[in-house]
Parts: sequence; C-alpha cells; structure tokens
Amino acid sequence: DGGITQSPKYLFRKEGQNVTLSCEQNLNHDAMYWYRQDPGQGLRLIYYSQIVNDFQKGDIAEGYSVSREKKESFPLTVTSAQKNPTAFYLCATLDSSTFMNTEAFFGQGTRLTVV
Amino acid sequence: KNQVEQSPQSLIILEGKNCTLQCNYTVSPFSNLRWYKQDTGRGPVSLTIMTFSENTKSNGRYTATLDADTKQSSLHITASQLSDSASYICVVSVASGGSYIPTFGRGTSLIVHP
Repeated sequence: DGGITQSPKYLFRKEGQNVTLSCEQNLNHDAMYWYRQDPGQGLRLIYYSQIVNDFQKGDIAEGYSVSREKKESFPLTVTSAQKNPTAFYLCATLDSSTFMNTEAFFGQGTRLTVV
Repeated sequence: KNQVEQSPQSLIILEGKNCTLQCNYTVSPFSNLRWYKQDTGRGPVSLTIMTFSENTKSNGRYTATLDADTKQSSLHITASQLSDSASYICVVSVASGGSYIPTFGRGTSLIVHP
C-alpha cells in the first residue's frame, strides 16, 4: 500500500558519529522534506527537495546532509557537526503540482538519541 | 520572513467541552491553509484544507474558519473526546518557484481530561 517509510524508528548514536536516517516513498510525489521536532519547538525544516538530484537548505541545515538520487528516496545524514542531534525527525512528501494538492504526508518518524 | 503563529501553546479541557485554537500567519503569497493533528510520536495527519476563498470547512467535530483579510484561522473542536488529545498544527502553503512550500506553526498541545 502507498505511503512513506522511515527507518529505523529508534536510533542511538555515539557522539562524533555520523548516522543516516532513511525515508522511502511510493506515492510518486516530487517534493520531499525533512523536519526536526523538539519539545515545544514545533516542526523545523532541515532540507527539502523539489525534484531528483536537487535539494535546498531549510532553516536549520547546519550539521545535516541529504541526497536525492531517486524520486523514491531522500536519506538524511546527521553528521558529527550537528551539536545537538537528539530529536524526533520526520520525513514528508508533497504533491506540489497544484495549490490544492499541498497536503503533506508524513512518515512515522525516527527518534534519534545521542548517548 | 513568513511566519505562522499559533495560540494557545497548550490547552487542557474536560471531556465533552468545546475549544477553539487560533492561527495567525504572515505568509505571502498565500496558497492554502491546513490544520493537522499529530499524536505523540507519530507523523501529523491532515484534518482540513482551506483556500483564500473559503471561510469555513468542517470535518466531523472539527470546524476550521479562515479570514484571509486579517490572516487568521481558527480550529473549533466540538464535544471533545479523550482521543482528541494531541498537537494541532496550522500549516500555510507558500507558492514558490512553481511549487508550494508548507510553513508550519509550532502547534497547540491539547489535553482532554475525563
């Protein structure tokens, strides 16, 4: 069935390590997004991609990197340069072809904890 | 900078009562406004969508209003249930370079007590 799959659901990282969060979709949506959510902070945009092989920085891109080699996949790497990576990460897709089709569909999230 | 401000930050009500959540935005050019419900530890799910020409949209016990002149929206929840306990997020889409970028509010955390 159609949807967005994020993995893993829980991830533990040692300080100084890079980790990659997976996001796969079979909704055939062009646009994909990564958000970070902290308690009381709401959703903050890390990176987004409107089309394959192209992506843009969001509001808090420092310490993160992404790639968009396939339409279905938009992995997020949390690098050691990210000073406070412990958070809940959400991946979303958007059929942005018309102004009515702007519903964002979200994965179930990955909770990253630095130990 | 495009912004979406929500109030209150958190709300506690008794089961069966009504409540209203507010959303003010400065996003331009405005495309549409959606309200999402996010259960703890899950991804948000869309409740309603409204374009600039719509004033009211209902989805069961949820009713959203939009005043495009004052750039304000509200989400009214009628006869609240325990399952309504969640974060409610206002999202306004901006037209940018031929596509649409969602701008998220911080959300209102609603707790419904029995």
